[in-house]
Amino acid sequence: EADIYQTPRYLVIGTGKKITLECSQTMGHDKMYWYQQDPGMELHLIHYSYGVNSTEKGDLSSESTVSRIRTEHFPLTLESARPSHTSQYLCASSDHLNSPLHFGNGTRLTVT
Amino acid sequence: AQKVTQAQTEISVVEKEDVTLDCVYETRDTTYYLFWYKQPPSGELVFLIRRNSFDEQNEISGRYSWNFQKSTSSFNFTITASQVVDSAVYFCALSEEGGSYIPTFGRGTSLIVHP
Repeated sequence: EADIYQTPRYLVIGTGKKITLECSQTMGHDKMYWYQQDPGMELHLIHYSYGVNSTEKGDLSSESTVSRIRTEHFPLTLESARPSHTSQYLCASSDHLNSPLHFGNGTRLTVT
Repeated sequence: AQKVTQAQTEISVVEKEDVTLDCVYETRDTTYYLFWYKQPPSGELVFLIRRNSFDEQNEISGRYSWNFQKSTSSFNFTITASQVVDSAVYFCALSEEGGSYIPTFGRGTSLIVHP
């Protein structure tokens, strides 16, 4: 039973389109994260949030933005998608800084 | 430099074999946490275990066991009598005080268990 939800599960779009990847969690967690997972499996942190109205960029500059207006919702937006954005995007949450992460099922994005 | 190194990219074993997945970490902090996650073919990462830097006690959970050694900065994961359902990508991760406890993941080890 998933407590963190990502939609869509799969997305194929054309270059230049604006897209938003949705992530919601029902656990009341303050900490939320977005990771990009490339075909080589490695996870790269792209954004994180410690709570409402708090967002920070991670190590990977992915030309994306996030917002955290509500505790349970942490959407990721690509203003202009490019083929280099083709990847899997994983959303995660935790209740404390050193707690394990709960991951969503991911969104597999293909930009043509 | 990689803070978490999983040198084994892919391991292939036959069912019932024992297999050890290596994880070497790097940190200057005295307070840190280590994790293992499993990512099955379905894609969702699942948490397996967490260890803090002050607890070097090894742990066993069924067929899974973890060996934490601060002297060698390693946190290895052993699966005893592997099964086909163990086939997955396994990630080791580190969260450290100096990194604001933001988890850093290794590159993962793909384990393939053949029947």
